[in-house]
Amino acid sequence: AQSVTQPDIHITVSEGASLELRCNYSYGATPYLFWYVQSPGQGLQLLLKYFSGDTLVQGIKGFEAEFKRSQSSFNLRKPSVHWSDAAEYFCAVGAANTDKLIFGTGTRLQVFP
Amino acid sequence: DAGITQSPRHKVTETGTPVTLRCHQTENHRYMYWYRQDPGHGLRLIHYSYGVKDTDKGEVSDGYSVSRSKTEDFLLTLESATSSQTSVYFCATQGLGMGDGANVLTFGAGSRLTVL
Repeated sequence: AQSVTQPDIHITVSEGASLELRCNYSYGATPYLFWYVQSPGQGLQLLLKYFSGDTLVQGIKGFEAEFKRSQSSFNLRKPSVHWSDAAEYFCAVGAANTDKLIFGTGTRLQVFP
Repeated sequence: DAGITQSPRHKVTETGTPVTLRCHQTENHRYMYWYRQDPGHGLRLIHYSYGVKDTDKGEVSDGYSVSRSKTEDFLLTLESATSSQTSVYFCATQGLGMGDGANVLTFGAGSRLTVL
């Protein structure tokens, strides 16, 4: 079955600390992978995406993610978190021959000063 | 205005009443989607459309219907609302084609529905 797992429901970090949010997927075809961010009361905004090529992709707001096919993972990272990064983060998977994405259940990030 | 507009943004209704949520886009995107967001479930696809009058069911379509008579409008209808349909509903669009925009969803700001 196709699925996306975000094992961490809630993560708390201090401002300036590094961050890694985990995402694992199960997908039959070659995956397209996405990270979206949702600020409180807002819709989702695309952070970054991986379709092919370099497995380390850069996104907006200083985020990056690495696709590891052998581990079926697409973890999101940021070297130094800012208070404004507090939000909910969603990983999603799709494919070139499909018009639907499958979303994970999200990870809520809290940032302490 | 460009982008995606959802209306109403907030609605409180009673069990058994019909409710229609509207999604309006100015992107001329072919694909449109309705998701619901609930704690612990993330986003779940209700229905989607791949063109005018062309729609299909998602994973949680029971109790919902949709219509798309124009490219820019996608309506979600709850024929008889139930408390289990209390949720935040998001509309999203996706354009056709290759390159950077392929498979990328653009989301509206959401519609919060409370069914008492």
